[in-house]
Amino acid sequence: EPEVTQTPSHQVTQMGQEVILRCVPISNHLYFYWYRQILGQKVEFLVSFYNNEISEKSEIFDDQFSVERPDGSNFTLKIRSTKLEDSAMYFCASSWTSSWEQYFGPGTRLTVT
Amino acid sequence: AQTVTQSQPEMSVQEAETVTLSCTYDTSESDYYLFWYKQPPSRQMILVIRQEAYKQQNATENRFSVNFQKAAKSFSLKISDSQLGDAAMYFCAYRGVRDDKIIFGKGTRLHILP
Repeated sequence: EPEVTQTPSHQVTQMGQEVILRCVPISNHLYFYWYRQILGQKVEFLVSFYNNEISEKSEIFDDQFSVERPDGSNFTLKIRSTKLEDSAMYFCASSWTSSWEQYFGPGTRLTVT
Repeated sequence: AQTVTQSQPEMSVQEAETVTLSCTYDTSESDYYLFWYKQPPSRQMILVIRQEAYKQQNATENRFSVNFQKAAKSFSLKISDSQLGDAAMYFCAYRGVRDDKIIFGKGTRLHILP
């Protein structure tokens, strides 16, 4: 069965550094999402992406964050200048339509030191 | 703003027994979707069951069923004949029909006792 994949599984970075988290959505899906989960807290929505543009974003998704679909298969989340509070598990998801089930990847654990 | 509350951080159930996980939510919308997601250790979240708010009939998927009480804004998950493979974190979640975002509860960690 097709799965969403994410790389790396764990990323350690220093405060102030840029980091790119990568996701490969399911191949025929058209909608893409990023969520994050700070340790001990709820999974929170960051952004959704469709037709090469952001369709919805949360208040968390400020100018430090950006998303891109650089080719036909990858979907990336960039954090320009990481802060300690960006440490979290980041989940990518994709869906065939906006009303259909969102399929989640296994997550990337980001640790900012 | 919509919220999802899971009041049971952890639960345990004997193998082959039945367990019910609780979830309440708050919304002012009349049409929405509710979900239960399962996240096994070190694995991705997978959808267990989905309920459309306009449907009165409770959703069922094999051993998994829900008790959807729209007026009470309650959405509990019942797992019958619990199996060792059911051990996981279970997230209750909400999505408005016009929204992209899913709103999650904090999760309930379910342990299955052999």
